[in-house]
Amino acid sequence: GESVGLHLPTLSVQEGDNSIINCAYSNSASDYFIWYKQESGKGPQFIIDIRSNMDKRQGQRVTVLLNKTVKHLSLQIAATQPGDSAVYFCAENLRFTGNQFYFGTGTSLTVIP
Amino acid sequence: DGGITQSPKYLFRKEGQNVTLSCEQNLNHDAMYWYRQDPGQGLRLIYYSQIVNDFQKGDIAEGYSVSREKKESFPLTVTSAQKNPTAFYLCASSRWVLAGAYNEQFFGPGTRLTVL
Repeated sequence: GESVGLHLPTLSVQEGDNSIINCAYSNSASDYFIWYKQESGKGPQFIIDIRSNMDKRQGQRVTVLLNKTVKHLSLQIAATQPGDSAVYFCAENLRFTGNQFYFGTGTSLTVIP
Repeated sequence: DGGITQSPKYLFRKEGQNVTLSCEQNLNHDAMYWYRQDPGQGLRLIYYSQIVNDFQKGDIAEGYSVSREKKESFPLTVTSAQKNPTAFYLCASSRWVLAGAYNEQFFGPGTRLTVL
């Protein structure tokens, strides 16, 4: 999960295993969510998004699950590869704000070869 | 090759100096944003601009200034009034959508500013 503070939550997985990264969002009025991947010293890259009228969305090797009841978002990465090592964070967009996002602190994923 | 560029990649500043970070995009996006990233914290919004010649303060605008004279460019000045400027600065852009629509923000590679 994500938290505020100096130390990011960390997740270590074996290459080839599946990874699950969690995000607890704060506002029940949020209706659009994005997962970003950020490698060290680089800008965030879009991975996948989901709207609040969905509870699951799949991409290539990634799946996002949304549980609005408990305000929880998860990112599942299948067959994790060394290139997946990065910080992953979620972003929430409040309904009717259109263009403003609030970002989580992130989870650091390390893939062990 | 479309995208967002930021320069410089690394910037060092002496206390009391103003410095300007460059952000350019060729995605034809109306909206541009500046964020600050500190270790262990989520991105925090400094300023954003919906359209040329207009910009709005974000959550942590004190000690920063911006301009938006061209659609493609949104430079950020870190002034001497910013008490703790050492951080990683990210520029982003997006289409500007009306309420109820959705769009993602695309990020640049970032500028790491260090105050000596």
